[in-house]
Amino acid sequence: GNSVTQMEGPVTLSEEAFLTINCTYTATGYPSLFWYVQYPGEGLQLLLKATKADDKGSNKGFEATYRKETTSFHLEKGSVQVSDSAVYFCALPAGGNYQLIWGAGTKLIIKP
Amino acid sequence: NAGVMQNPRHLVRRRGQEARLRCSPVKGHSHVYWYRQLPEEGLKFMVYLQKENIIDESGMPKERFSAEFPKEGPSILRIQQVVRGDSAAYFCASSPSLGWNTGELFFGEGSRLTVL
Repeated sequence: GNSVTQMEGPVTLSEEAFLTINCTYTATGYPSLFWYVQYPGEGLQLLLKATKADDKGSNKGFEATYRKETTSFHLEKGSVQVSDSAVYFCALPAGGNYQLIWGAGTKLIIKP
Repeated sequence: NAGVMQNPRHLVRRRGQEARLRCSPVKGHSHVYWYRQLPEEGLKFMVYLQKENIIDESGMPKERFSAEFPKEGPSILRIQQVVRGDSAAYFCASSPSLGWNTGELFFGEGSRLTVL
């Protein structure tokens, strides 16, 4: 079945640093790929998505490109802010049914 | 903003008591999912429901846990005879369809259960 492996955290960066959080997947076919974000004390919310190979999802300065050659969907941001401190989850559908397969989450800590 | 509403946000129970967690999905959404999140861990799927039907409860413990999504009213996750290991954040999510090309789940803010 489909699976996802996500970079372990926590990741600690200074404000304005460049961010990469790695996500690789195994899947049958080319399912949609997602990044969700969970701010402290809140539920998850969709950050961005890509629905087919070579698509780039983007939102709030974050980007991720669906790369079938490397089966990756790495999350990037050019200049992080303290307000980006959160847990980030990579996810994809579980092989044709209604469930999402979730990465373990990567906690991001941005220091001023 | 008629997002997913969960209550209570925080619930404290003693061992052996019952916990009831409620979830009102986004208006018009007919699919509800419950997840459990332990501290510093990811999400674990528990159950997927449509109105009046449990579609998949494969992630839910066989004993003490039950869920429903009646025709009228919120979805309920019920935990009987709680134990300390049930302490966690329980998240409800809803979606309007099974179309994973859209793939967006709408999450509530969670209910944090503490068992003393």
